[in-house]
Amino acid sequence: EPEVTQTPSHQVTQMGQEVILRCVPISNHLYFYWYRQILGQKVEFLVSFYNNEISEKSEIFDDQFSVERPDGSNFTLKIRSTKLEDSAMYFCATRRQQTIYGYTFGSGTRLTVV
Amino acid sequence: KQEVTQIPAALSVPEGENLVLNCSFTDSAIYNLQWFRQDPGKGLTSLLLIQSSQREQTSGRLNASLDKSSGRSTLYIAASQPGDSATYLCALLGQGAQKLVFGQGTRLTINP
Repeated sequence: EPEVTQTPSHQVTQMGQEVILRCVPISNHLYFYWYRQILGQKVEFLVSFYNNEISEKSEIFDDQFSVERPDGSNFTLKIRSTKLEDSAMYFCATRRQQTIYGYTFGSGTRLTVV
Repeated sequence: KQEVTQIPAALSVPEGENLVLNCSFTDSAIYNLQWFRQDPGKGLTSLLLIQSSQREQTSGRLNASLDKSSGRSTLYIAASQPGDSATYLCALLGQGAQKLVFGQGTRLTINP
């Protein structure tokens, strides 16, 4: 079964540093997403990306966050200046064109900001 | 704004029992509802997807139902096994929306 691949699985960074989380989507999927889950809390939406542009973003997704598909395959989430409260599990998810298909999630990147 | 609630927050049952996990939502204007399994520190594994026009979906020992009029979905697990121990999440895709809205999950423990 096709998978969404995320790297790294765990990243520790110092407050104020930039981090880039990477995702390789399933090849025939056209919609890409980032979600996050702070320990003990709900999974929450960050951003959706379609046709090389952001289609929707949440209040969490402020100017410190950005997404791109630099090479047409990888899908990245960048946090420019990390804060302690950015510590969370970050999930990449992808979906085919039609809404009748469900989402496929990656295994996540655990980000720890110290 | 869509709100998704899962009850109970935690459930512990002996092996072999049949059990039901509940998911309720406030806005019935949904495209579909998806049930996921999450093992500790791991990603989300899709279990079942129910379209808004469907009443239920089945996969092996799992059966998910959807009642939009009452704003409820249930996940039924038959003949539970210790390997079923995990957190189960329901998530909804609203009409016209791009994002899934998640419940807080039910942490299930199956005791041998």
